Amino acid sequence: NAGVTQTPKFRVLKTGQSMTLLCAQDMNHEYMYWYRQDPGMGLRLIHYSVGEGTTAKGEVPDGYNVSRLKKQNFLLGLESAAPSQTSVYFCASSYGGGYGYTFGSGTRLTVV
Amino acid sequence: GESVGLHLPTLSVQEGDNSIINCAYSNSASDYFIWYKQESGKGPQFIIDIRSNMDKRQGQRVTVLLNKTVKHLSLQIAATQPGDSAVYFCAETWSADGLTFGKGTHLIIQP
Repeated sequence: NAGVTQTPKFRVLKTGQSMTLLCAQDMNHEYMYWYRQDPGMGLRLIHYSVGEGTTAKGEVPDGYNVSRLKKQNFLLGLESAAPSQTSVYFCASSYGGGYGYTFGSGTRLTVV
Repeated sequence: GESVGLHLPTLSVQEGDNSIINCAYSNSASDYFIWYKQESGKGPQFIIDIRSNMDKRQGQRVTVLLNKTVKHLSLQIAATQPGDSAVYFCAETWSADGLTFGKGTHLIIQP
């Protein structure tokens, strides 16, 4: 009963490098989300998905892409990392409408 | 802009006292609200929720109050303990798309 699992937990990238963050959930949730958390800014929604094969933009989508090829997985990609993307990234899943929201433990990304 | 915010970035209370953390929201269409607790290095954890057709809900040592007239949400923690030290976020939703979070209040427990 893992809930929401994020990998990796930590990563350091050089400016311009690319990477993919993986989120996996085992609760059969339809909805999945990617947030970033910066000091004093709370959590801001990057992208979300309302079901397998669907994605939508959130509040701060620029510089990121996502894919939801399987219901249980939601991938967040950075094609060309920038220092402004240094942050802690959280994945979450839910039944929809905020119900049953469950967060992963986060990925701390540093872009140098 | 942000539709959910907390009044204080930091709140310091004595161990054993009651804590009250406040949150103002601006979207009158919001119909579901949640309080989360986030400890250092961890993801947010669900504490308690409330729907817009209620004005009060109680859990174990926690109570959430909702005042829709002034768009205000509060979290009350009874007999605050050292383990309550964390950042507390309120969140709201008005659609199926997800939650909107406030900036958080850091609760500090003084011995």
